[in-house]
Amino acid sequence: DAKTTQPTSMDCAEGRAANLPCNHSTISGNEYVYWYRQIHSQGPQYIIHGLKNNETNEMASLIITEDRKSSTLILPHATLRDTAVYYCIATRQANQAGTALIFGKGTTLSVSS
Amino acid sequence: DAGVTQSPTHLIKTRGQQVTLRCSPKSGHDTVSWYQQALGQGPQFIFQYYEEEERQRGNFPDRFSGHQFPNYSSELNVNALLLGDSALYLCASSLQGRSGIEKLFFGSGTQLSVL
Repeated sequence: DAKTTQPTSMDCAEGRAANLPCNHSTISGNEYVYWYRQIHSQGPQYIIHGLKNNETNEMASLIITEDRKSSTLILPHATLRDTAVYYCIATRQANQAGTALIFGKGTTLSVSS
Repeated sequence: DAGVTQSPTHLIKTRGQQVTLRCSPKSGHDTVSWYQQALGQGPQFIFQYYEEEERQRGNFPDRFSGHQFPNYSSELNVNALLLGDSALYLCASSLQGRSGIEKLFFGSGTQLSVL
């Protein structure tokens, strides 16, 4: 799995967009980018994933650069409930052996009013 | 629809003891993964079970073992507990779909304290 690099912490004002960057310069062609978040005292929660196209769902948008060496998770209108640790993970598509997601330390996002 | 449930939520053991943690996957899921999360760190992959067999393992000693039952529920066993085994133990379930993309659904974890 490709190594990912994220800032240790970020701040965001409530109602503004939160843009969380992730660097994965060694990503290979068959590796996806996954984003999970972990709110205090809970297990991680799946947010979104992508291969090379930008993706959007009800929670967030994922922008992947054309060379796939970096990506940005966008929370369009951050709320206090979005305060959490956000993990960016690059991993191969699951095959018969399954996918073991390898978590780093992530980015602690603090949303304030 | 119940999500991933883990029991117990908290547990206190002493060094040298053995512990068993339990996990019931989300309805319809067939794969269970276990993670260990030390304070201030990201979750670390222990192992994954599918069709009642361990199919992937992280860098954990043999003191950590597991089992998956026919109903897909799973147990994590840790023998000869060390102080360093104190952590939040997370269970995640998923479905091995045709596309091969697995989304993991996590439980809230079992907080293990070893004294």
